[in-house]
Amino acid sequence: NAGVMQNPRHLVRRRGQEARLRCSPMKGHSHVYWYRQLPEEGLKFMVYLQKENIIDESGMPKERFSAEFPKEGPSILRIQQVVRGDSAAYFCASSSSSGSRYEQFFGPGTRLTVL
Amino acid sequence: GENVEQHPSTLSVQEGDSAVIKCTYSDSASNYFPWYKQELGKRPQLIIDIRSNVGEKKDQRIAVTLNKTAKHFSLHITETQPEDSAVYFCAALTGGTSYGKLTFGQGTILTVHP
Repeated sequence: NAGVMQNPRHLVRRRGQEARLRCSPMKGHSHVYWYRQLPEEGLKFMVYLQKENIIDESGMPKERFSAEFPKEGPSILRIQQVVRGDSAAYFCASSSSSGSRYEQFFGPGTRLTVL
Repeated sequence: GENVEQHPSTLSVQEGDSAVIKCTYSDSASNYFPWYKQELGKRPQLIIDIRSNVGEKKDQRIAVTLNKTAKHFSLHITETQPEDSAVYFCAALTGGTSYGKLTFGQGTILTVHP
């Protein structure tokens, strides 16, 4: 029973480059959430997606950030033209559409470092 | 929007003692309150949750209480062990949504001394 998978686990980018973070939800889960965790802080909601739909992106910065969850394949969080302030741990979580739909299971995170 | 305040930011106890972490929330429509444990460099793991239709829930050494009138909820860990040392986060579900948009507290670093 594979849990939520994220890759890469660590990502180093130089300022101005693009970062692509991938998340595969748990088997049977169709809801994906992305959170950002700055050093020594709590997690901040970024975006909530279902297959092929962005439902709530109220926590996403207006520029440079985008997310998708295609019909096939993992969910992707994309950060264009990264800046040092983007350095953080990015976690995705998934939940089921049935049963306890609020209960979220987190992936191991991607730690992004911008040089 | 929802705002969640968590106290204390650090908590140090002796093995065998109890630990209590408290959170307050602002959105009276919130109806789901999970607690996560995060060890250094690891993923947050759900340890217990409570819905607004109950006042208390217990799972072995862990319990959570909820006071909807006062809009606060607490995590209680009894008979603490060194392996309980971690960062604990409370969260509240944003009210008015049918999905799990969570607002997290700032975290409590719990250290259990042997």
